[in-house]
Amino acid sequence: ESVLTQSPGTLSLSPGERATLSCRASQSVSSSYLAWYQQRPGQAPRLLIYGASSRATGIPDRFSGSGSGTDFTLTISRLEPEDFAVYYCQQYGSSPVYTFGQGTKLEIK
Amino acid sequence: QITLKESGPTLVKPTQTLTLTCTFSGFSLSTSGVGVGWIRQPPGKALEWLALIYWSDDKHYSPSLRSRLTITMDTSKNQVVLTMTNMDPVDTATYYCAHKRRFNDFYLDYWGQGTLVTVSS
Repeated sequence: ESVLTQSPGTLSLSPGERATLSCRASQSVSSSYLAWYQQRPGQAPRLLIYGASSRATGIPDRFSGSGSGTDFTLTISRLEPEDFAVYYCQQYGSSPVYTFGQGTKLEIK
Repeated sequence: QITLKESGPTLVKPTQTLTLTCTFSGFSLSTSGVGVGWIRQPPGKALEWLALIYWSDDKHYSPSLRSRLTITMDTSKNQVVLTMTNMDPVDTATYYCAHKRRFNDFYLDYWGQGTLVTVSS
């Protein structure tokens, strides 16, 4: 079973700054199988990125995903107030079908 | 427009069986490739995948919870039901259902609002 480790646990930045969030897998993951979700307080997760780098419908282009193998990155180019939330990476596999990272909390500095 | 909504008890006692229903609209579980999954999130903690059912009635379970989980579907009612036996306080969490659009899509694109289940005597 592949484990996803996200870093940092908490990231403190100001609006307008660039955010870089990391997701590392313990085993190599096909890029097709890697997704990112955003979860605002009190809300359900929302799909941001699938296939490591494709934005989901309606997601602003300030969000971008990259990476391959065991190292993946979510970048938010210029933070907006609504971007401060918790972000999860997710991988798809055979068993378990879905594995999530422990999350990165993006907070206002 | 795809929507999903979870329903079920908000409070269960230890050792009881939890039954949750996901009622959805905007898609059919009779459509080839479509799936519905369940995911939970203890307060302040990360997401944990529980189970997934496909249009074909193919079912997948979390290895660590397999013995306690059952997922079923009722296509006529547009519902997916998850049962979890032998509930324990550590199972206190918000439980979400989510949509998987195609067999070769490897993510969950629409989520319900979630329902908080507390396990306490």
